[in-house]
Amino acid sequence: QVQLVESGGGLVKPGGSLRLSCAASRFTFSDYFMSWIRHVPGKGLEWVSHISSSGSIKYYADSVKGRFTISRDNAKNALYLQMNSLRAEDTAVYYCARVYYAFDIWGQGTMVTVSS
Amino acid sequence: EIVMTQSPATLSVSPGERATLSCRASQSVSSDVAWYQQKPGQAPRLLIYGASTRATGFPARFSVSGSGTEFTLTISSLQSEDFAVYYCQQYNNWPRTFGQGTKVEIK
Repeated sequence: QVQLVESGGGLVKPGGSLRLSCAASRFTFSDYFMSWIRHVPGKGLEWVSHISSSGSIKYYADSVKGRFTISRDNAKNALYLQMNSLRAEDTAVYYCARVYYAFDIWGQGTMVTVSS
Repeated sequence: EIVMTQSPATLSVSPGERATLSCRASQSVSSDVAWYQQKPGQAPRLLIYGASTRATGFPARFSVSGSGTEFTLTISSLQSEDFAVYYCQQYNNWPRTFGQGTKVEIK
């Protein structure tokens, strides 16, 4: 069935960088907008970033603007999130999600821990 | 940004009973609200979006009502698999925002 699989999470020191990837399968990736959403342990969900189907339009939450960059490679059916200048408050499970009105398909998530 | 406020934070319900979850938007979002179900250790799953479109796999005991700023998710007769955390989310404006969640637990 339709699937999204995230990778690239891990432990990183404050100020460090990490690149998350999301592999899409069993749907026409290039037809859909995509987003990254994070879930802070013990807290709620926070939308992080959004990219249009062509990659020409991007939106970011204020909390990550200027530090995170979303991108996609439609030829590889892949979505990315480059995270720089990481802070402790960026610690969360990061999900990629397909956008069809709402977030209709989610990956299983990848954990990012920012700690010294 | 639009703030989504859910109530109650926790709802204790016996199996077979009705559960009513509320979500309020700080300004009108028309009918552009989605509800998600999340179980421990799992990713959220889209449950319902728009005026009443249920996602694949969810039965008719899940229904929604409301528009503008007040929204309600009703589970007509709770089954064991329905005990989870439920989030509302608006997709009318940027940034997309979620409520803080309502945990539906077994009474």
